[in-house]
Amino acid sequence: GIQVEQSPPDLILQEGANSTLRCNFSDSVNNLQWFHQNPWGQLINLFYIPSGTKQNGRLSATTVATERYSLLYISSSQTTDSGVYFCAGPPQGGSEKLVFGKGTKLTVNP
Amino acid sequence: SAVISQKPSRDICQRGTSLTIQCQVDSQVTMMFWYRQQPGQSLTLIATANQGSEATYESGFVIDKFPISRPNLTFSTLTVSNMSPEDSSIYLCSGDTGGTDTQYFGPGTRLTVL
Repeated sequence: GIQVEQSPPDLILQEGANSTLRCNFSDSVNNLQWFHQNPWGQLINLFYIPSGTKQNGRLSATTVATERYSLLYISSSQTTDSGVYFCAGPPQGGSEKLVFGKGTKLTVNP
Repeated sequence: SAVISQKPSRDICQRGTSLTIQCQVDSQVTMMFWYRQQPGQSLTLIATANQGSEATYESGFVIDKFPISRPNLTFSTLTVSNMSPEDSSIYLCSGDTGGTDTQYFGPGTRLTVL
């Protein structure tokens, strides 16, 4: 099955800084998703991005499917961006279930 | 999108007992899943909840320990049976509405077993 690796595991930023989180996957995926888990445990879907680039406010994501990686960009970070960011993809093509990476824990200090 | 609710939000249980977690979706979803998140860890898929038939379990998870029901397209339950402290985790249900395959998650049930 697919392996999903995320980097860095931990990231500490000052408010206003920009950051890039990376997700590498071992096989081609057609269902790459990014999630944010806030400090209270709620998991929010940020992007469904099998390929290309999407933007939503200060967040954007790019997936290069041919090279098997995805990037999540956070600009002008805010303390509310703190939490854990997960990427996830299907264990095999055509599956709708997800295999999660270990996550990047982001702390944004005021 | 889909809005997913879970009950209870948290519970503290005694060793050897069982707890049933309910998951309700506000719209019909094609697929529903149950995940476990152990303290400080990522999410691990327990099973796919199939409407009107037995759930499909992932390696390492069995029906006797985690029986699952899905009587209709918007509701599912997960039971954690004969609990031990190692079952202390957050249990999350999720669903996708097909089409884009975007998956939405419930708020989770935080379980502590003493």
